[in-house]
Amino acid sequence: NAGVMQNPRHLVRRRGQEARLRCSPMKGHSHVYWYRQLPEEGLKFMVYLQKENIIDESGMPKERFSAEFPKEGPSILRIQQVVRGDSAAYFCASSLQGRNTEAFFGQGTRLTVV
Amino acid sequence: DAKTTQPTSMDCAEGRAANLPCNHSTISGNEYVYWYRQIHSQGPQYIIHGLKNNETNEMASLIITEDRKSSTLILPHATLRDTAVYYCIVRVDTGNQFYFGTGTSLTVIP
Repeated sequence: NAGVMQNPRHLVRRRGQEARLRCSPMKGHSHVYWYRQLPEEGLKFMVYLQKENIIDESGMPKERFSAEFPKEGPSILRIQQVVRGDSAAYFCASSLQGRNTEAFFGQGTRLTVV
Repeated sequence: DAKTTQPTSMDCAEGRAANLPCNHSTISGNEYVYWYRQIHSQGPQYIIHGLKNNETNEMASLIITEDRKSSTLILPHATLRDTAVYYCIVRVDTGNQFYFGTGTSLTVIP
């Protein structure tokens, strides 16, 4: 059973471009979480999704950021018009439903904005 | 709001038990305590979780006090590969998010 797969592992974008980060959850997992980690800082929660629904986006910046988890295919974190401050590691995690379930993380996408 | 308090850093001698404390004095009755670690800049790795009973798996043991206001993660025989940042997380009652605090940076010394 493959783990959480994120791609690309490294992404370089020029200021003003769009960045699309993909996350394929573990098989059978219907919950996906996105986190951002700035250099030398901790993980910050961004958004929590179930299939076709955004459950909690309280950690998402109000502009330029969006996330989706369609019925078919991976979850996508989309950053429009990237700026240098968006440079960070973005981690995705997935879990089964329920409070008594652990979440498993992918290896992250390192976004560098030049 | 991470709801947990952990020491910033700790050292442990290789081969000894590493005991990592965590305070979560405002934990609610049905909130679970989770432990993760992050080695270097890799994705966080799940270690263990529990509600009120002590738990043990192949990686570690989790001791939760009777009043559930604090817990201790025990790595029974620390190795150099256990050097990492360890996060104690109280999973919020609604929404199922995992909120990471600042964690404890554990250094295992040869």
